[in-house]
Amino acid sequence: NAGVTQTPKFRVLKTGQSMTLLCAQDMNHEYMYWYRQDPGMGLRLIHYSVGEGTTAKGEVPDGYNVSRLKKQNFLLGLESAAPSQTSVYFCASSYSGPGGFYNEQFFGPGTRLTVL
Amino acid sequence: GENVEQHPSTLSVQEGDSAVIKCTYSDSASNYFPWYKQELGKRPQLIIDIRSNVGEKKDQRIAVTLNKTAKHFSLHITETQPEDSAVYFCAASSFSGSARQLTFGSGTQLTVLP
Repeated sequence: NAGVTQTPKFRVLKTGQSMTLLCAQDMNHEYMYWYRQDPGMGLRLIHYSVGEGTTAKGEVPDGYNVSRLKKQNFLLGLESAAPSQTSVYFCASSYSGPGGFYNEQFFGPGTRLTVL
Repeated sequence: GENVEQHPSTLSVQEGDSAVIKCTYSDSASNYFPWYKQELGKRPQLIIDIRSNVGEKKDQRIAVTLNKTAKHFSLHITETQPEDSAVYFCAASSFSGSARQLTFGSGTQLTVLP
């Protein structure tokens, strides 16, 4: 099993350009997440999905859109990139355990994005 | 929403000594508390977790304690080794929107000095 994979690993954009980050998981997990990681600020949730065809906003959703057309894929889009979106982006997935408890999130390797 | 505070932000210890990292959370309904280790340039990886119905959990040199009354939990690493050097993140799981979510602390850079 590959686990959680992300494409691309690195990307440099100019302000105003658009791009899509792809996350794929082969663990049949229901839940998928997109985080951004900035120095000294930990991981902040951008958007998440509790199943195919569903998406919801996290803590810092502005400037991003997501789609989950297939259970194994979760796409993060930047329509008009800004320098403030320079960050490392991590995708994660998890399953919903019994009793409503929250099980381990498995992280992808990350995408380092620079917006000039 | 949930708020997680983590201290200290940096921690240096001598090899063989113990390291303790502390986190507090705000939502009394949070019920799952994982700890992640992130090496430079790598993804966060779960090292230990604890659920709200347990007060302590241990896995070899790593242990986590939870005090639900005070809403704080701690990571304890004994007999530290240079390979323990990394950034450690705590997190708390709370219900928000349509699902439980993890809220992360800001991280602790642990350096183990040889």
